Amino acid sequence: SQTIHQWPATLVQPVGSPLSLECTVEGTSNPNLYWYRQAAGRGLQLLFYSVGIGQISSEVPQNLSASRPQDRQFILSSKKLLLSDSGFYLCAWSVRTGAGTGTEAFFGQGTRLTVV
Amino acid sequence: GDSVTQMEGPVTLSEEAFLTINCTYTATGYPSLFWYVQYPGEGLQLLLKATKADDKGSNKGFEATYRKETTSFHLEKGSVQVSDSAVYFCALSDGGGSEKLVFGKGTKLTVNP
Repeated sequence: SQTIHQWPATLVQPVGSPLSLECTVEGTSNPNLYWYRQAAGRGLQLLFYSVGIGQISSEVPQNLSASRPQDRQFILSSKKLLLSDSGFYLCAWSVRTGAGTGTEAFFGQGTRLTVV
Repeated sequence: GDSVTQMEGPVTLSEEAFLTINCTYTATGYPSLFWYVQYPGEGLQLLLKATKADDKGSNKGFEATYRKETTSFHLEKGSVQVSDSAVYFCALSDGGGSEKLVFGKGTKLTVNP
């Protein structure tokens, strides 16, 4: 069966420090991968998605970047964190069907990031 | 671009009450529609979905019908339980191959015994 691992679960980082959040998927190949952020009162916002190794699409210009160095690994990074980067970060994956058939997305447990 | 608007709440109900959470969408083409649920401290999980007009998604007593004429996908449950307390998100997927989801802001539901 497929599983998604996201770590760490919680993180407290000072302003200006770097960030690296990692997400890996097991039990599937060639998935679509996503990073979402959930900020208080603002719902769930898509940050990045990837349909293949090295292919990253950014939805919102910001202080963050993403990389997909391997098929089932998705990394969210920042060189210098801002206070506004605080939030709950969720990684997700879906089967790549290419047919627009309403494929379900499977979410990790999330990382609570607090920038102080 | 595509967007989802849902009743923001919070919503507080007594056990066995009827639940409706409204959701409307704006999209080009023919999106698939979803309801996701987030229990405290956890990630999201799919509750139900519908992929074409007039489809009804259902799961765990929850239902939602894809209404193209009103661009809506309202979530309903006839009798809520304390264990249904969670945040509910309406979402759409534009079917463009990436299957990326556009979410509403979420509705927090609290069910009291």
